[in-house]
Amino acid sequence: DAGVTQSPTHLIKTRGQQVTLRCSPKSGHDTVSWYQQALGQGPQFIFQYYEEEERQRGNFPDRFSGHQFPNYSSELNVNALLLGDSALYLCASRDRWQGLAGTRDTQYFGPGTRLTVL
Amino acid sequence: AQRVTQPEKLLSVFKGAPVELKCNYSYSGSPELFWYVQYSRQRLQLLLRHISRESIKGFTADLNKGETSFHLKKPFAQEEDSAMYYCALSGVYNTDKLIFGTGTRLQVFP
Repeated sequence: DAGVTQSPTHLIKTRGQQVTLRCSPKSGHDTVSWYQQALGQGPQFIFQYYEEEERQRGNFPDRFSGHQFPNYSSELNVNALLLGDSALYLCASRDRWQGLAGTRDTQYFGPGTRLTVL
Repeated sequence: AQRVTQPEKLLSVFKGAPVELKCNYSYSGSPELFWYVQYSRQRLQLLLRHISRESIKGFTADLNKGETSFHLKKPFAQEEDSAMYYCALSGVYNTDKLIFGTGTRLQVFP
């Protein structure tokens, strides 16, 4: 299992353009989350997808949208790109473990897509 | 406000020295606290979580609700511990939305 995979690895766009980033979750995982990590910052939660629906959203404008496919893979779309959208975009899939001690969720992160907006 | 604060951007120690990476948090409700680590050229990965009360690679972290802290400690640092460390929190009943601190880079010199 290659784990969480993301494509492309790098992308350069200009202001005003639109971009689509892709993520394949780890085998057996059905929940995908997206994070934005600006330079020198920690990852910031964008949104989460489960059963092909957006379930939670962070403090990001509507220019950020997503989609989840029946095979659990996901896309992140950003419209009308701004210079400030330049960042590393991380995808994470969730492993849920249930045992006697309760439920444990672990997020497995992909390597990220580096987006540069000029 | 929900927030994680890591006051140190960089922590440099010599091999064999004790290490403490600081993390303070602000959260209304019951949080679950995590430490994530990113080694050079590798992806972000979970190191440990407070609920499990475990030691991973010699690291431990205790949740102090009174001081709202979750500091990461290791008694004897190793060169292979050099990495970027992120403290993160989520709600106990909503562990999908992680709130991260800005990270601390740990450098362990030989």
